[in-house]
Amino acid sequence: EAQVTQNPRYLITVTGKKLTVTCSQNMNHEYMSWYRQDPGLGLRQIYYSMNVEVTDKGDVPEGYKVSRKEKRNFPLILESPSPNQTSLYFCASIPWGPSGTRGGELFFGEGSRLTVL
Amino acid sequence: AQSVTQPDIHITVSEGASLELRCNYSYGATPYLFWYVQSPGQGLQLLLKYFSGDTLVQGIKGFEAEFKRSQSSFNLRKPSVHWSDAAEYFCAVGSPSGAGSYQLTFGKGTKLSVIP
Repeated sequence: EAQVTQNPRYLITVTGKKLTVTCSQNMNHEYMSWYRQDPGLGLRQIYYSMNVEVTDKGDVPEGYKVSRKEKRNFPLILESPSPNQTSLYFCASIPWGPSGTRGGELFFGEGSRLTVL
Repeated sequence: AQSVTQPDIHITVSEGASLELRCNYSYGATPYLFWYVQSPGQGLQLLLKYFSGDTLVQGIKGFEAEFKRSQSSFNLRKPSVHWSDAAEYFCAVGSPSGAGSYQLTFGKGTKLSVIP
């Protein structure tokens, strides 16, 4: 089954304690992205990656890191979480190969709800 | 930079009434356009998408959307709303660039309430 898998789905942590949210897709998609969703603000892009070893900042990258060492994985790292990073996080992927095989449906993970105390 | 505006934060309609959710975007060329729906506590589901061609796009659950280049709009419509359509709806814009990059931006969402 084609899917994007995020872990953990729920996490409560404390300020300053490093954490990683994993994201893995089994569709061989080139493009992967992280979003955070906050009430009244919709989904805002944190980072995205066009392919292995290629990452770029989205609209709200401060306080986050990402890496793309393998095509299927795109972890989101919070080196020193703060309460303003309490949010619902979504990972997503899209096929982005040669022209004609790009821009299809954005596949979303089920979301990871993070609370930073 | 591209942007997406959904002017209506919250809309309430009666069951059986027609629905139109507005979406305006700012982007120099013709972008990829999407509508997603999110039910409470759930993830996001794609309703429909527009890349090129016919400007009236049919989606799932009886929804349709029309791309109007002159108005930079991609409004979502449904002729008769069902109580199960109560959810939050997001418009999104994707902009591919010649440099091989792609950015996807979402609007802030419109919450739909349905009165039985």
